[in-house]
Amino acid sequence: GQNIDQPTEMTATEGAIVQINCTYQTSGFNGLFWYQQHAGEAPTFLSYNVLDGLEEKGRFSSFLSRSKGYSYLLLKELQMKDSASYLCAVKDSNYQLIWGAGTKLIIKP
Amino acid sequence: SQTIHQWPATLVQPVGSPLSLECTVEGTSNPNLYWYRQAAGRGLQLLFYSVGIGQISSEVPQNLSASRPQDRQFILSSKKLLLSDSGFYLCARQEGRESGELFFGEGSRLTVL
Repeated sequence: GQNIDQPTEMTATEGAIVQINCTYQTSGFNGLFWYQQHAGEAPTFLSYNVLDGLEEKGRFSSFLSRSKGYSYLLLKELQMKDSASYLCAVKDSNYQLIWGAGTKLIIKP
Repeated sequence: SQTIHQWPATLVQPVGSPLSLECTVEGTSNPNLYWYRQAAGRGLQLLFYSVGIGQISSEVPQNLSASRPQDRQFILSSKKLLLSDSGFYLCARQEGRESGELFFGEGSRLTVL
C-alpha cells in the first residue's frame, strides 16, 4: 500500500527553528509537495521537490532524499502566524497525490 | 488572476437529505478540477477529478456524485447523506505546468446530523 508518515503534532518557540519530517512509501515518485493549512481554512502551496536536495524559499526550506523516501520542511525564525498544520503529499507513478495526515505545529511565545 | 470559489461555506444537513456543493473557477479555461474530502486527523481523500466538461473520474465508491456541466463549474452531489459524509470538502484546480500543484477553494464544511 501507499503511505505517508508525519508526526501528528509538534511544538516550537517563537523565533526558533523547527524541522517537520515526512517519510513516504509510494508506487513510484513524481514529486513531493508541502502545504500549509491554518485551522478552518484550505491548504496553501508551500514547496515542491522533485530532485534530491534543498529548496529554499525565504524562511521556509524543503529537503528531499528520494533514495531514503524522506523529506523535511524547515521553518526558520518562527512567527506566531506559522501555527498551522503542514501537509506532505507525494505524486505517485500515476501522477495522483497521496496525502499525509498533516503535522499540527504549535508556536509558543 | 485565477480564482476558485466554493459555496456554501458551511452546511448542516440531516441524514438522508440531498447535497449540492458548487465550485467555480475564474481566469482560466479547461482546468483540471478536483473534489477532496478532509476528515479530522486524516489526510485529504480524493473523491473526483475532471479534465473537461462531462468527464468525471471517481476515486472512491460512495454515495456521492460529481458533475461538470460547464468548463469552469464542478458540482458535488448526494441524493441521501450519511453521517460519515461529514467533513471539510475542498475543490481544487491544478496549477503549475511543471509541478502541477493544486490551488484550493475556500472549502465547504458539512455536518450531517
